[in-house]
Amino acid sequence: GAGVSQSPSNKVTEKGKDVELRCDPISGHTALYWYRQSLGQGLEFLIYFQGNSAPDKSGLPSDRFSAERTGGSVSTLTIQRTQQEDSAVYLCASSLVFSGTYNEQFFGPGTRLTVL
Amino acid sequence: AQTVTQSQPEMSVQEAETVTLSCTYDTSESNYYLFWYKQPPSRQMILVIRQEAYKQQNATENRFSVNFQKAAKSFSLKISDSQLGDTAMYFCAFDPPGGTGANSKLTFGKGITLSVRP
Repeated sequence: GAGVSQSPSNKVTEKGKDVELRCDPISGHTALYWYRQSLGQGLEFLIYFQGNSAPDKSGLPSDRFSAERTGGSVSTLTIQRTQQEDSAVYLCASSLVFSGTYNEQFFGPGTRLTVL
Repeated sequence: AQTVTQSQPEMSVQEAETVTLSCTYDTSESNYYLFWYKQPPSRQMILVIRQEAYKQQNATENRFSVNFQKAAKSFSLKISDSQLGDTAMYFCAFDPPGGTGANSKLTFGKGITLSVRP
């Protein structure tokens, strides 16, 4: 079956512009995560969606970052007034959720964002 | 808060030889999951191996095995019979307690770049 897909693959934008990054999770996966991978750094958690619950936004670095998940499936990460420090690879992951056990996160190929 | 440390930024190994990648972590929790992920140039993160903290037996997956030392908070990955396709970045990651999938936001180390020489 299809894995997690993300678009665009690469995005170059000018400082101050807004960008939208899209994630299509694996069908049936109720949990969706966004991570940021900056150069030379590990992955940094940004936001988590699970079903109809309120999202966990504790990892968002500033109020310029927001995300939504429509219909429990596709998610969009929006960065307003982009800054050069926002340049990174943005990775999306999805998983099933079964209580009492670990649920593997499946990652997409990421979007490489470059802010000039 | 949990931290994951990978102190080696790069390693190189000859094809068919064995290499060990190091990882240490810090947590006050007693039960958790630890992982090694592989990220090839395609950027797709792939789960290599998983260890449950309450299990004393080290996890193995074909050529990949771990040395889990809970008291020392150490979690190293051993790759046997290295292959050219093993060339990638490898990340150590920590999963919060419970592992229920509910809010399992992973904490990652900075990664290590492994090069396998022909």
